[in-house]
Amino acid sequence: GENVEQHPSTLSVQEGDSAVIKCTYSDSASNYFPWYKQELGKGPQLIIDIRSNVGEKKDQRIAVTLNKTAKHFSLHITETQPEDSAVYFCAARGRGSTLGRLYFGRGTQLTVWP
Amino acid sequence: KAGVTQTPRYLIKTRGQQVTLSCSPISGHRSVSWYQQTPGQGLQFLFEYFSETQRNKGNFPGRFSGRQFSNSRSEMNVSTLELGDSALYLCASSRGGDGYTFGSGTRLTVV
Repeated sequence: GENVEQHPSTLSVQEGDSAVIKCTYSDSASNYFPWYKQELGKGPQLIIDIRSNVGEKKDQRIAVTLNKTAKHFSLHITETQPEDSAVYFCAARGRGSTLGRLYFGRGTQLTVWP
Repeated sequence: KAGVTQTPRYLIKTRGQQVTLSCSPISGHRSVSWYQQTPGQGLQFLFEYFSETQRNKGNFPGRFSGRQFSNSRSEMNVSTLELGDSALYLCASSRGGDGYTFGSGTRLTVV
């Protein structure tokens, strides 16, 4: 099945700086890649997603880029704020017999210092 | 619109008991999937249901089972609980294959 690796596991930035989280995947047939933000005591919240026919997608301060050839995708957060502090997960959706299944990275604990 | 609702939020059970967790998806969403989240293993897929049929199953023992009803609500059951089953159990719903929305989860503690 699919294998998703995520780096770094922890990331600390100053308020106003940018943060970048990177993920790689193993199955070149994967075509859907969501990113989730999980705050303490809550379930993961979908913040942005990208399909394999698109190289980049933006939503205000958040952007995701996808490189299908290298099989990696990245989350970019600009002008970070303390409320961005949370654990972020990348995921890849399975294909064929595993369609409907999300394979998650291990998460990145982002801390934004005021 | 209402999000994904999971009940109960917290559960404490004794080893050997069984437990049933419930998930109500977003209205119109026919796909419901379940995940186990632990600090050591991260988010692991349990199973996915679509229109009352199990489409996918993860690598969990047969003690873990689930079902989906005609109104898309889903339940998962864990029998003969073990200490290692202590985890946050998350349910996610989707209209058809993307945009998975998660609930707040059920925190299960086995003592």
